[in-house]
Amino acid sequence: QKEVEQDPGPLSVPEGAIVSLNCTYSNSAFQYFMWYRQYSRKGPELLMYTYSSGNKEDGRFTAQVDKSSKYISLFIRDSQPSDSATYLCAMNNQGAQKLVFGQGTRLTINP
Amino acid sequence: SQTIHQWPATLVQPVGSPLSLECTVEGTSNPNLYWYRQAAGRGLQLLFYSVGIGQISSEVPQNLSASRPQDRQFILSSKKLLLSDSGFYLCAWRGETAQQYFGPGTRLTVL
Repeated sequence: QKEVEQDPGPLSVPEGAIVSLNCTYSNSAFQYFMWYRQYSRKGPELLMYTYSSGNKEDGRFTAQVDKSSKYISLFIRDSQPSDSATYLCAMNNQGAQKLVFGQGTRLTINP
Repeated sequence: SQTIHQWPATLVQPVGSPLSLECTVEGTSNPNLYWYRQAAGRGLQLLFYSVGIGQISSEVPQNLSASRPQDRQFILSSKKLLLSDSGFYLCAWRGETAQQYFGPGTRLTVL
């Protein structure tokens, strides 16, 4: 079993829809949770960063962490074609030098 | 603000030839630095990381090596490239807590 599981998709939704992207993990020591957005042929860009449980909102993006279920989510409201990209979750525990990444979910927003 | 550079952006090399990819970071001191490889349609594979000058941790026993000759310089090398070395190579630096910031990447094709 992988330490972090992420559905690779592809996921295709119409413009304006609410998108939900998810990751599950097995290591209960994870405390730092990140979402990256990667456009084709570009490096990943840090989108959201949260510590421990709870929600964090930034514009149309909301990151949610449920440590009791070992489940994290990224919600995109009013999705735009420019949101079409691969989204990777990443996480690690206190003091760790390395991040553990999900496989990434390929998202397409159709105009 | 911090900036990370990688070059070259693209590279086409014959099998058996040497390789040198360079990564430099500006605007931060003594960062943790990382080399990742991303095969087409696949997730991120950590190759090497460094917590300081001359300190290299290897994650995969392959024909690749890494060096950190200066505080903000990280180099990925190979003496003889294999077909399986083709991929998208990404350099990253670690922020104050756990998050990592990626460079633009180098796309390597070995023929």
